[in-house]
Amino acid sequence: DVKVTQSSRYLVKRTGEKVFLECVQDMDHENMFWYRQDPGLGLRLIYFSYDVKMKEKGDIPEGYSVSREKKERFSLILESASTNQTSMYLCASSLSPTGMTEAFFGQGTRLTVV
Amino acid sequence: AQKITQTQPGMFVQEKEAVTLDCTYDTSDQSYGLFWYKQPSSGEMIFLIYQGSYDEQNATEGRYSLNFQKARKSANLVISASQLGDSAMYFCAMREGVQGAQKLVFGQGTRLTINP
Repeated sequence: DVKVTQSSRYLVKRTGEKVFLECVQDMDHENMFWYRQDPGLGLRLIYFSYDVKMKEKGDIPEGYSVSREKKERFSLILESASTNQTSMYLCASSLSPTGMTEAFFGQGTRLTVV
Repeated sequence: AQKITQTQPGMFVQEKEAVTLDCTYDTSDQSYGLFWYKQPSSGEMIFLIYQGSYDEQNATEGRYSLNFQKARKSANLVISASQLGDSAMYFCAMREGVQGAQKLVFGQGTRLTINP
């Protein structure tokens, strides 16, 4: 079974802190994604990566950065956390074959910025 | 512009009835994929069904089927004989892009409630 693991289930951080959210997958997937989920807004794509050191902006990248130094690990970084970044963060991974395959999700990290 | 639109924030259905969840999408790519996910109150994301843009037949997986109308850019999920356990959030998603930099975007979701 594919496993996508996010380092924390719940996090509470202070405004202005630098925050790292970690995601690890164990199936050698090329593609990895970071989303935030807010009620009524669905899942919004923050960043995605299709290879080591390769990254692309999603729809809401402002205030975030990412790092992918190893294929299995994709980190989301909040450079200076703000209260409007309080949200559920979901990481996902998928293969990048010639066809299309589904993405597998982590359990989510609920981040509260106070 | 919204790439995936789900116009039904909430739906209420009687148990054992069929239900259709709407999804429209916007893309200029010829090759893309459409997905439906279920998110129960526990929060996990469960993959339900997939439809490729070149697939001529509508996808089916057990009680789930995808009503794919390419010209209308719609990919509605049909759940037959609904069950209480179907109560959840449902998300439509689209993958587009060339091999490599494939983007996966989601709609706003529909909260489905099955009444006994």
